[in-house]
Amino acid sequence: QQPVQSPQAVILREGEDAVINCSSSKALYSVHWYRQKHGEAPVFLMILLKGGEQKGHDKISASFNEKKQQSSLYLTASQLSYSGTYFCGTMDTGRRALTFGSGTRLQVQP
Amino acid sequence: DTAVSQTPKYLVTQMGNDKSIKCEQNLGHDTMYWYKQDSKKFLKIMFSYNNKELIINETVPNRFSPKSPDKAHLNLHINSLELGDSAVYFCASSQGHLYEQYFGPGTRLTVT
Repeated sequence: QQPVQSPQAVILREGEDAVINCSSSKALYSVHWYRQKHGEAPVFLMILLKGGEQKGHDKISASFNEKKQQSSLYLTASQLSYSGTYFCGTMDTGRRALTFGSGTRLQVQP
Repeated sequence: DTAVSQTPKYLVTQMGNDKSIKCEQNLGHDTMYWYKQDSKKFLKIMFSYNNKELIINETVPNRFSPKSPDKAHLNLHINSLELGDSAVYFCASSQGHLYEQYFGPGTRLTVT
């Protein structure tokens, strides 16, 4: 089952902050975050593993609530280059593949 | 150097034709994937291979057949193409299935 992302879209001014949420109804082993710019491939941002290990981007942070099966991506002091569609991908325990959410379209304006 | 490459980048073909998409990665990863991204940008896994062994085969029509000749290559052959097959197909790779995935540039398939 596909994880639910919110919001579906957000518009920011440069320098503003944003939070993108991802929740699943299944027990998760990990949550991945990717950003896709128009006409390009998804690019890895962040991975959060059960047990607290976290790897990713130094200008973007994220959290993973294992009890609630929820993750949030925090974009602070947004830049124009942050614009794109953000996808969370969840990996259920026992499944060796990611299931992606429907994406959050983020637009940063000058 | 390109990490994950796909050919062709664009593919326009008629219904009923057979076509192939090739993918190669030079990252030394042991796991490769095919994803389909539809017009609504929904990204869905189709297949995954680990060390040339098929691991994931989602509910994909039999017309789609992946082939992995070695760990660095994963090709996708599609028979009897249909209008609904029009999408962007992404190849990706990772070291094991748990960690970050690196995506190729995508192949935009248009079936007319």
